[in-house]
Amino acid sequence: TQLLEQSPQFLSIQEGENLTVYCNSSSVFSSLQWYRQEPGEGPVLLVTVVTGGEVKKLKRLTFQFGDARKDSSLHITAAQPGDTGLYLCAGSGGSNYKLTFGKGTLLTVNP
Amino acid sequence: EAGVAQSPRYKIIEKRQSVAFWCNPISGHATLYWYQQILGQGPKLLIQFQNNGVVDDSQLPKDRFSAERLKGVDSTLKIQPAKLEDSAVYLCASSLGPTGNTEAFFGQGTRLTVV
Repeated sequence: TQLLEQSPQFLSIQEGENLTVYCNSSSVFSSLQWYRQEPGEGPVLLVTVVTGGEVKKLKRLTFQFGDARKDSSLHITAAQPGDTGLYLCAGSGGSNYKLTFGKGTLLTVNP
Repeated sequence: EAGVAQSPRYKIIEKRQSVAFWCNPISGHATLYWYQQILGQGPKLLIQFQNNGVVDDSQLPKDRFSAERLKGVDSTLKIQPAKLEDSAVYLCASSLGPTGNTEAFFGQGTRLTVV
């Protein structure tokens, strides 16, 4: 069973601060995805990383895939209250491309 | 493009009753997932379909949960009989298929409360 560990589990910061969320596994994934989920809604895809060492930027969000394709990080610069939500990483792997999620990081950005 | 449709949005049942959830994936998506999400946690995969075949149901409690995807389009997930610990949000998602990029599109989910 492929497991994804996310840290921290909870994060409460002030508007304007920077933060990093981590996603780690002992398994190698074909690709790794980051989702954001708001209360009462399903997760929405933010980015997919495929290549080891890959870095992708989405406005104030920077995503990195580890060289060995076992871990990833999400860095948010100058966080805003609109960034509040549950951030989930999900790894895809195996012959069936099973999509396995971590437990998530609940981020609260206070004005 | 229409998204993933799920119904109902909310359901309250008593323990030992049965319940069914319905999902209509995005047109053309071969892969369909059912996830269970406990409040504040990440989604847990219950079952994955590729067209109308099951490719992973290793975490599905088969003594009480069942799912089908007849004709490889929409799907139903059933719980019979329900237990208190089944209270959760049940999410359906779909993706194009095993192309190596499994971007999943989620429905809004069904919030189940078992009392």
